[in-house]
Parts: sequence; C-alpha cells; structure tokens
Amino acid sequence: GENVEQHPSTLSVQEGDSAVIKCTYSDSASNYFPWYKQELGKGPQLIIDIRSNVGEKKDQRIAVTLNKTAKHFSLHITETQPEDSAVYFCAASIGEEGGADGLTFGKGTHLIIQP
Amino acid sequence: GAGVSQSPRYKVAKRGQDVALRCDPISGHVSLFWYQQALGQGPEFLTYFQNEAQLDKSGLPSDRFFAERPEGSVSTLKIQRTQQEDSAVYLCASSSDSYSNQPQHFGDGTRLSIL
Repeated sequence: GENVEQHPSTLSVQEGDSAVIKCTYSDSASNYFPWYKQELGKGPQLIIDIRSNVGEKKDQRIAVTLNKTAKHFSLHITETQPEDSAVYFCAASIGEEGGADGLTFGKGTHLIIQP
Repeated sequence: GAGVSQSPRYKVAKRGQDVALRCDPISGHVSLFWYQQALGQGPEFLTYFQNEAQLDKSGLPSDRFFAERPEGSVSTLKIQRTQQEDSAVYLCASSSDSYSNQPQHFGDGTRLSIL
C-alpha cells in the first residue's frame, strides 16, 4: 500500500520568514495530495490540495508543489505569522471514477513560529 | 451550515467494555470516512462509506471494530471488548460526492481512553 514520509518532524522559524515542509510518497498511482493543519484538540483542517495534473498551486501565503517523477510534494508558507503555529500533515490518495479513497497521512510536522 | 459533528467528544471505558462513537456528516455529503489517530501520529484510515454502502473496510484493525451507516447519513463506529491499544482519537470525515477525491472535511474527533 501507499507510504507517505514527511520531514521535518519539527520546524521552528522566525515570524515573517518562510517555512517549507516536504513529503514523499511510494505509490505512483496516487493522484491527490491534500495538506491539513491540526490545532490542539481539533480535527485536521484542509488548507490546500493539489491533483496530479498540476505542478503548483497557490492560495495567498500558502503554496504546494508536486513533482510526480520524483514522487514528492512540498508545502510552502510565506510571511509566517504566530497563528500558523500548529501540526501540519500531508496526505496522498488514489482517486478512481465512481469511488473515493481513504487518505494515507504522513506523521506530521510541528511548526513553531517564534515571535 | 454546521461542519462534521462527532459525539461524544471524550469517552472513558474500562477494558472489555463496548463503546459506540457517532458521526454526523455535513448535510448532503455522500462519502464518509473513519480514521484513527494515535498520540503524536497522523490519522490512519479505517473504513469508507458511499451513502449506506461500506465500500472499504480494509483499515479496521480487528473484527472487534464495526461501522455502519444505515440510512446514508449518520454513522456509528462500534468497538467491542475494548483493549488498551484502542485508546486514540477517532476522526470522522465527509466529502461531497463519490468521485475522484473531493476534499474531505473532518470533525474534531472522539478521544477514547481505555483504562
């Protein structure tokens, strides 16, 4: 089955700097890659996603890049703010017509924004 | 306009007891997923429903775990003869249709503690 590796496990950056989190996946059939933010005591919140027919997607300060050949994808957060502090998870799944698919998650990155 | 609702938020049970966890998906969402999240880990897929049909239960760890969604809306995850290793947060997610990986929206989970 699919295996998703995520690095780093902890990332500390100064407020205003950029943060980058990287993930690799094992199954070349995976074609959907969402990123979630999880705050303490809350469920994961979708922040951005990308499908395999796209190499990059941006939404304000957040961007995701996908390299299908290398089977890796990255989350980029620019101009970090204290409220960006949380645990971030990458995930992958194989979508098929007529059926959805469970997500395989990485182990998470604890992002700490230093004031 | 409520999101995914899960109850109870916290559940404490003695080893050997049966528990039932409830999920109310976003109204009209066809697909419903259950995940298990151990402390400090990413969520792990348990099972998937498309309307009332359970299409994938490959992630259920043992036959003590049972899920149902009889009317294609509310779902219940039941764990029989609970064991300490069942202690985790159980997350429910729903998505708007059954095609090719629509975004999954998560509830805040039920934190289950087995004594």
